[in-house]
Amino acid sequence: QVQLVESGGGVVQPGRSLRLSCAASRFTFSDYGLHWVRQAPGQGLEWVAAISYDGREKFYADSVKGRFTISRDNSENTLYLQMNSLRLEDTALYYCAKGHIVGATRAYFESWGHGSLVTVST
Amino acid sequence: EVMLTQSPDTLSLSPGERGTLSCRASQSVSRYLAWYQQKPGQAPRLLIYDASNRATGVPARFSGSGSGTDFTLTISRLEPEDFAVYYCQQRHISLSFGGGTKVEIK
Repeated sequence: QVQLVESGGGVVQPGRSLRLSCAASRFTFSDYGLHWVRQAPGQGLEWVAAISYDGREKFYADSVKGRFTISRDNSENTLYLQMNSLRLEDTALYYCAKGHIVGATRAYFESWGHGSLVTVST
Repeated sequence: EVMLTQSPDTLSLSPGERGTLSCRASQSVSRYLAWYQQKPGQAPRLLIYDASNRATGVPARFSGSGSGTDFTLTISRLEPEDFAVYYCQQRHISLSFGGGTKVEIK
């Protein structure tokens, strides 16, 4: 069964940076597009960023474009999200998710981690 | 950006009843739409993809239909474990989610 384990969350002041990691196992990591999806407390789901299986294509939601960077290390089976210039509204549980089909970046989210909580607060 | 509008916000039903959830897109997404179920404290679970295909292990009481801009998730007979929040998501133009429908016990 696919395993995705997020880490790196915490409490940070507005304007500061944080990097999330997602360690993946039990599937061929380099075959699948990967995503970050977030959920603010008591709110719905928001897609944040996507990266293609080979790391060449990256897509971002308008709300994070220019501030967040998604990347991956296929040799280490790890996905990252570098978050800069954090805002209060970035407070959320950040999920790592695996795409549902080999090779596709714009995909459905077939497997999810348990999430890493990011709190932006003064 | 494609906006997905789900209705109703909350659906109050009893176990054994039929549940019908709606998702409307601001422009056509063809059949590139999925449905997820999320229970409190858990990550979402993929139920339906490409409008009408059940994901692995999803019970047959869940079915999806629609194309273009109007989609429906139907739960034929609600089981106690089906009370949760349901989200639709499209992948035709970028990626986006609807706001969710909470299915609660009446």
